[in-house]
Amino acid sequence: SQQGEEDPQALSIQEGENATMNCSYKTSINNLQWYRQNSGRGLVHLILIRSNEREKHSGRLRVTLDTSKKSSSLLITASRAADTASYFCATVRVVQGAQKLVFGQGTRLTINP
Amino acid sequence: DGGITQSPKYLFRKEGQNVTLSCEQNLNHDAMYWYRQDPGQGLRLIYYSQIVNDFQKGDIAEGYSVSREKKESFPLTVTSAQKNPTAFYLCASLSRGDEQYFGPGTRLTVT
Repeated sequence: SQQGEEDPQALSIQEGENATMNCSYKTSINNLQWYRQNSGRGLVHLILIRSNEREKHSGRLRVTLDTSKKSSSLLITASRAADTASYFCATVRVVQGAQKLVFGQGTRLTINP
Repeated sequence: DGGITQSPKYLFRKEGQNVTLSCEQNLNHDAMYWYRQDPGQGLRLIYYSQIVNDFQKGDIAEGYSVSREKKESFPLTVTSAQKNPTAFYLCASLSRGDEQYFGPGTRLTVT
């Protein structure tokens, strides 16, 4: 089952602009993670935010988490052509001691030079 | 792609044949995972293993089998019982910081 729903499904912006992607989910979580995937490649972990955190930064990335609304957002500031990729949120639950990730369908981000 | 390798990168098989996908990690991680990704979709969990000689079914385990005889290795067999095996398969391992490290993936085409 795919719990996360991402919005928008595709986003195209000019280089230098900011890109915002949103993720909504349905059940309680331990943490939420964002991953990036270049076409035909494996996923790369970007940032993890725990359920008791509200905001986290990593370089040009800013992630927010609102557990009351069951939603998260990923902001990429000052976008670059190299940021072109698909971005996935993954909600994380621990079930019988095992971490299980449930991925959304992703946002395809295109940065136009 | 971290310390996880998957081979081969592309795999072609005839319908009715079993095929085994390799996944090896040198990160000393205990937990490992197999996911399936269809075009334009997110990842779906096939199987996962928390320790050697133990594994659990994920959301779409039917038609797949795994083994975990060594900490470093978690091979996935796609059997002839899997109705739609053509997909991109990704292996991952779990760090102590709760991040998953992914391999480069194997694209399987069954005709």
